[in-house]
Amino acid sequence: GAVVSQHPSWVICKSGTSVKIECRSLDFQATTMFWYRQFPKQSLMLMATSNEGSKATYEQGVEKDKFLINHASLTLSTLTVTSAHPEDSSFYICSARLTETQYFGPGTRLLVL
Amino acid sequence: GEDVEQSLFLSVREGDSSVINCTYTDSSSTYLYWYKQEPGAGLQLLTYIFSNMDMKQDQRLTVLLNKKDKHLSLRIADTQTGDSAIYFCAESLGGSQGNLIFGKGTKLSVKP
Repeated sequence: GAVVSQHPSWVICKSGTSVKIECRSLDFQATTMFWYRQFPKQSLMLMATSNEGSKATYEQGVEKDKFLINHASLTLSTLTVTSAHPEDSSFYICSARLTETQYFGPGTRLLVL
Repeated sequence: GEDVEQSLFLSVREGDSSVINCTYTDSSSTYLYWYKQEPGAGLQLLTYIFSNMDMKQDQRLTVLLNKKDKHLSLRIADTQTGDSAIYFCAESLGGSQGNLIFGKGTKLSVKP
């Protein structure tokens, strides 16, 4: 139980385009989901907290207009990287909260050329 | 501010026990977690402990919590090559959101 999926697992795009990443809780409902970014050999950096039916809460230094988050249902949150640039290349991981625990997706590797 | 510290590397031989240590600063943490990350993958929840507990055992995994010293450890008995991964310690700040603060991760290498 408590499975979280992400789609796509890999994406390569051209600079200036937008990329949408989906995070789904497959066997439970999640009022709260989280989006993280992980650089090579580093820990996870929380980008934003996504609450179903309301606006996301962004961490300091994360541009909300660049990283658009939508949490339209209890099983789906999306992260859209708008006008992507090479410095946005990273590993993006989502998690979904079930009671006191966060369950993580497998991650999405984004490469912006 | 809140901070979680871990040693970066640990190397053990197959069959030995591994002990990964973590210290944290927020005394109001409600839960503490251990996650495992294999290369190119997301984080897998291994175990977690409520802050009013001292120990939790789950098969080969034993978690010890010293709340006075704000020290958490994860012991893996009979370590196998498949246990090679990065292990993250995390503390929950509590509250309605349940945000986690992660350590930098300990890379465990298991030699045959």
